[in-house]
Amino acid sequence: DGGITQSPKYLFRKEGQNVTLSCEQNLNHDAMYWYRQDPGQGLRLIYYSQIVNDFQKGDIAEGYSVSREKKESFPLTVTSAQKNPTAFYLCASSKGNPGDEQYFGPGTRLTVT
Amino acid sequence: AQSVTQPDIHITVSEGASLELRCNYSYGATPYLFWYVQSPGQGLQLLLKYFSGDTLVQGIKGFEAEFKRSQSSFNLRKPSVHWSDAAEYFCAVGAGGSTLGRLYFGRGTQLTVWP
Repeated sequence: DGGITQSPKYLFRKEGQNVTLSCEQNLNHDAMYWYRQDPGQGLRLIYYSQIVNDFQKGDIAEGYSVSREKKESFPLTVTSAQKNPTAFYLCASSKGNPGDEQYFGPGTRLTVT
Repeated sequence: AQSVTQPDIHITVSEGASLELRCNYSYGATPYLFWYVQSPGQGLQLLLKYFSGDTLVQGIKGFEAEFKRSQSSFNLRKPSVHWSDAAEYFCAVGAGGSTLGRLYFGRGTQLTVWP
């Protein structure tokens, strides 16, 4: 089945540690996206990538980093510089053209204590 | 800049009643508009999208939406709500130009369905 995989579903970390969230897609999509979701805030874009080895900051990129070494993979690292990292993180992909819908993964809930 | 407003944070309807979720957008050109649904702890699923042409768009699960350019709106409707429709609904607008493929989401409307 084609789709987007995010792992793990739940992630727990201590404050001050970096953590990397995985996102893999087998839809042969060029574009990939990372969103953060907090209650009442909707989806806020962290980073997006339209081609391999290129990515752009979204609206809330501070404290996060990404890489796009392969078309299928777009891992997100939440660094210790992110002041409030506890949230639900969603990865998505699309063909990358105007009007194309985005397909979403099941999400990773990160809790930092 | 593109933006989406969903004026209703939370809506409660009885099962079998009709539903309308409001969405207003801000975008200078012809927009690409989407409605997504999210069950608790899950990813988002596309309900329908407007690209061009007929302003009344049919989607999955019996939903439809109407694009009204004069009102900058793209409201989601369903004639008879089922208990399984309880979820959070997001409206989104797509951008062109240098941000190809990027979507701008509203803050969502939480739907509760009473039996």
